Amino acid sequence: DGGITQSPKYLFRKEGQNVTLSCEQNLNHDAMYWYRQDPGQGLRLIYYSQIVNDFQKGDIAEGYSVSREKKESFPLTVTSAQKNPTAFYLCASSRDRGRTEAFFGQGTRLTVV
Amino acid sequence: AQSVTQPDIHITVSEGASLELRCNYSYGATPYLFWYVQSPGQGLQLLLKYFSGDTLVQGIKGFEAEFKRSQSSFNLRKPSVHWSDAAEYFCAVGSIKEGTDSWGKFQFGAGTQVVVTP
Repeated sequence: DGGITQSPKYLFRKEGQNVTLSCEQNLNHDAMYWYRQDPGQGLRLIYYSQIVNDFQKGDIAEGYSVSREKKESFPLTVTSAQKNPTAFYLCASSRDRGRTEAFFGQGTRLTVV
Repeated sequence: AQSVTQPDIHITVSEGASLELRCNYSYGATPYLFWYVQSPGQGLQLLLKYFSGDTLVQGIKGFEAEFKRSQSSFNLRKPSVHWSDAAEYFCAVGSIKEGTDSWGKFQFGAGTQVVVTP
């Protein structure tokens, strides 16, 4: 089945450590997105990528980094510079140049202790 | 800049009653509008979308939404809610990246939590 896979579902890290969240899609979508979700704040865009080897900062990119070396993969690294990393992270993808909806993964809940 | 406002943070509705969730947007051009639903700890599922044409759109699970350009609104409705409709609902608007005809990014509202009582 086609879809978006985020792994792991739960992730625990010590403060000061970098951590990478995985996002893979087999929908052949050009665009991919990372959102952060906190209670009462909706979804806030971290980074997005329209094509391979290109990505743009979203509204809250500080303390995060991404890469887009393959069309199907868009990993997100939460660095030690992110002041409040504990959150629910959602990856999404959409067909570019089609004015289409975004499809979402099941999310990764990151807890930094 | 575009924005999406969901005025109601929390709504409680009785099972079998009707439901309406409000969404207002601010966007210079014709918006691309979406409603998503999220169960706890899960990703978002698309309920319906509006791109153009008929302003009343039908979605999955018995939901519908009406686009009203004059009011900059895209409210979601369901005539009779079921206990399984308890979830968080998000309105979103898509933008076209300036200078291209591709998507820029999706902007989401803060969400409305729906509680269904027996």
